[in-house]
Amino acid sequence: DARVTQTPRDKVTEMGQEVTMRCQPILGHNTVFWYRQTMMQGLELLAYFRNRAPLDDSGMPKDRFSAEMPDATLATLKIQPSEPRDSAVYFCASGPHPDSGNEQFFGPGTRLTVL
Amino acid sequence: AQKVTQAQTEISVVEKEDVTLDCVYETRDTTYYLFWYKQPPSGELVFLIRRNSFDEQNEISGRYSWNFQKSTSSFNFTITASQVVDSAVYFCALSPRGGANSKLTFGKGITLSVRP
Repeated sequence: DARVTQTPRDKVTEMGQEVTMRCQPILGHNTVFWYRQTMMQGLELLAYFRNRAPLDDSGMPKDRFSAEMPDATLATLKIQPSEPRDSAVYFCASGPHPDSGNEQFFGPGTRLTVL
Repeated sequence: AQKVTQAQTEISVVEKEDVTLDCVYETRDTTYYLFWYKQPPSGELVFLIRRNSFDEQNEISGRYSWNFQKSTSSFNFTITASQVVDSAVYFCALSPRGGANSKLTFGKGITLSVRP
């Protein structure tokens, strides 16, 4: 049963610390998305990649957030320095080529708390 | 620009009742996809269905059914004989079909509570 995996599942850190979240997309999916979910803003798209190349990161605060795909099996989202307003659940999702339908399959999320 | 409106924010029903979750969308694309996702209390977003804009045939899967009406730009989701396990937040979403853009535009979600 192919699934998107994310680590860590929970992260508590102090303001100013660096946070790295990792995602392993479903094997064969060439599109990877990063979302943030909060009660106030709902689901927000931060960035997405196709074939490891960034296609759109307009939703991401550039000064502190960065997203990369070092290889086809790993996507990372880094926050440096973290702030309390970054507290949220961060989801990674992967999908097949757009010609196959655009559905996205989500990981379990990383719950980030910045104190 | 694309927009998805889920006007209902919270719905509460008693088990075995039927419930319909509404979704209205706006898009300038001539072809597009529509989706429903479920987010149970565990937090994970679960893909339920994808619909192509050129296929208006309604779909039924067990207790779930979807009514797509292009004329009213709606893609409603009905749960028949609801169960407590159906309690979740349900999101409707929209994306262009074809081309490089595969971003989903999500609605705000509908919180469904099914009471025993």
